Amino acid sequence: DAGVIQSPRHEVTEMGQEVTLRCKPISGHNSLFWYRQTMMRGLELLIYFNNNVPIDDSGMPEDRFSAKMPNASFSTLKIQPSEPRDSAVYFCASSFLAGVQETQYFGPGTRLLVL
Amino acid sequence: GENVEQHPSTLSVQEGDSAVIKCTYSDSASNYFPWYKQELGKGPQLIIDIRSNVGEKKDQRIAVTLNKTAKHFSLHITETQPEDSAVYFCAARKYYGGSQGNLIFGKGTKLSVKP
Repeated sequence: DAGVIQSPRHEVTEMGQEVTLRCKPISGHNSLFWYRQTMMRGLELLIYFNNNVPIDDSGMPEDRFSAKMPNASFSTLKIQPSEPRDSAVYFCASSFLAGVQETQYFGPGTRLLVL
Repeated sequence: GENVEQHPSTLSVQEGDSAVIKCTYSDSASNYFPWYKQELGKGPQLIIDIRSNVGEKKDQRIAVTLNKTAKHFSLHITETQPEDSAVYFCAARKYYGGSQGNLIFGKGTKLSVKP
C-alpha cells in the first residue's frame, strides 16, 4: 500500500491567493482527517470525514477554509484567500473506524508558506 | 473538552540510556492513548497505543504505562539508539458506544539520542 498521499508537498504562494491541498487516503479506509501543525499551536484537527460526510469541522479556523470529500478516495482542503498566518504544515490522515479499534495513518504533509 | 499536557518539551540522552516522556489528560472519559513518532519532514507515525482497560503495554524497546486514577500516561524507551531521535507526540481520545471523540495531541517532545 502506498499510504496516504498528499499533494503538493510544498506550496509557496502570495497573500490573497487561493490554495488547494489534496489528499488520497489509504484504500478501504472510511475516515479522513485534516490537521494543521505549527510550532505555536502544535497539531490541531481541522475537520474529519466519516464515509465521505463531514462529522466535525469545529477546528476549521474561519470561513476562508473549506474541505470536501467527493468520494472515498479523494479530499481537498481549500484556503481562499490565503494569509501569512496560514503558513504551516497540513497533514491528512486516514483510518478504518470499527469500534474502538482505530489507528490513524498520516500522510507526509504539505508545507505551506504564504508570503 | 480534553486537554493533553506533555513533558518535557526537549530531552537529550546518551545512546543506550532510557528515555521517559510523560503526558497528563483532563477528561476522565478518555479511553484511548496513542503515541506517535515524527521524523524530520515526515508525518507522525503510530508507534504504540494503550486502551484504558490495561495499565501497561510493551513492544520490544518501547513501553507505555497508564494511570487512570492520576490521569497520566508515559512512554518509556529503553536502550536508546540514534535512530530514536525524533519528535514524539502523545494523544488522548474517548470513545462511547458508536461515536468517538477527536484525538487531542500533546505539544510534542523532541528527543535527541547522542552517539
